[in-house]
Amino acid sequence: LAKTTQPISMDSYEGQEVNITCSHNNIATNDYITWYQQFPSQGPRFIIQGYKTKVTNEVASLFIPADRKSSTLSLPRVSLSDTAVYYCLVGVPRGAGNMLTFGGGTRLMVKP
Amino acid sequence: EPEVTQTPSHQVTQMGQEVILRCVPISNHLYFYWYRQILGQKVEFLVSFYNNEISEKSEIFDDQFSVERPDGSNFTLKIRSTKLEDSAMYFCASSGQGQPSYEQYFGPGTRLTVT
Repeated sequence: LAKTTQPISMDSYEGQEVNITCSHNNIATNDYITWYQQFPSQGPRFIIQGYKTKVTNEVASLFIPADRKSSTLSLPRVSLSDTAVYYCLVGVPRGAGNMLTFGGGTRLMVKP
Repeated sequence: EPEVTQTPSHQVTQMGQEVILRCVPISNHLYFYWYRQILGQKVEFLVSFYNNEISEKSEIFDDQFSVERPDGSNFTLKIRSTKLEDSAMYFCASSGQGQPSYEQYFGPGTRLTVT
């Protein structure tokens, strides 16, 4: 798995857009970028996965520049309930049965 | 929406005792996992299980640990002789088969406290 670097923590306010950037300078050609969210005392939850350009779902958007050495998770109009730790994972997923390796993540605090 | 369930939510045990943590994965999933998270630390992979056998395990998953799918719905993690350092949240996860993906569904966890 490619090494990833994320900010340790971020603060935001309700209603703002939050962008969390992950650096992965050694990303390999076949690697995908995946983001998970973990609320306190809960299991991680898959948010989004992408390979290049932009991916959007009902929860977030993932922006990946052409060189793929970084990616940005964008959360539109955050609420207090978006306070969580966000993890960036980079690697080549198999059809199934993947071992996930979590780093320290980014602790997002949303304030009223 | 289908979800992974785990029991118990909290288990307290004495050092040296055996514990069994139980999980019910999502019914049509074929791959099952255990992870753990020591308080304040990273989520760590323990083991993956497919077709009634271990497909991958980490160095944490030593001879004190074992996994089993005793029937068509449950997936268990057994720790034979617990140590203080086994105190952690234990998460079960499952995933289906299909397009290559890191998408796994995690349960709410079992908090294991070894005293």
